[in-house]
Amino acid sequence: GDSVTQMEGPVTLSEEAFLTINCTYTATGYPSLFWYVQYPGEGLQLLLKATKADDKGSNKGFEATYRKETTSFHLEKGSVQVSDSAVYFCALSDKGTGRRALTFGSGTRLQVQP
Amino acid sequence: ETGVTQTPRHLVMGMTNKKSLKCEQHLGHNAMYWYKQSAKKPLELMFVYNFKEQTENNSVPSRFSPECPNSSHLFLHLHTLQPEDSALYLCASSQDKDANTGELFFGEGSRLTVL
Repeated sequence: GDSVTQMEGPVTLSEEAFLTINCTYTATGYPSLFWYVQYPGEGLQLLLKATKADDKGSNKGFEATYRKETTSFHLEKGSVQVSDSAVYFCALSDKGTGRRALTFGSGTRLQVQP
Repeated sequence: ETGVTQTPRHLVMGMTNKKSLKCEQHLGHNAMYWYKQSAKKPLELMFVYNFKEQTENNSVPSRFSPECPNSSHLFLHLHTLQPEDSALYLCASSQDKDANTGELFFGEGSRLTVL
């Protein structure tokens, strides 16, 4: 079945540091890939997405590129802020299975210190 | 009104109690979902409803009973739960045409503690 594997956290960075959160996936079809973010006390929000190989999703300074050859969708940001502290979830939607719901990873907690 | 509203935000119950979680979406979507979020584990899909019809039950124990009276409301009825059922229960919705684009809209969750 489909699965998503994320690096374990927490990831602790100083403000303005470079961020990478690794995500790899296994899918039977042709998935779309997503990053969701969960700020403290809130639900998950879509951060960015990519629907086909080599697409780059971007939003709020975050970027991720859909790499089919390495089955990866790593999240990056050049300069993090304290306000980026949250839990980040990688997810996929497998169009090949026709399944409606997303498959999520376990989440990576990011802590940014001033 | 926020897009997806869940009540209660926090719930503590004994193993013999019966309680319900409620979810309401104000986005005009026609698909609704229950997910379970436990620490250090992937979000677990529990149920999916499309146009009030259950389209997915991810092998959830019968002590969890969903109800979807219309496209805007979703309930999760709880009875004789176990302590390992303690978790954050997240409701989400989507528009049917966006099923494969990943645009799920989540509520803030109901934090359940089973004593």
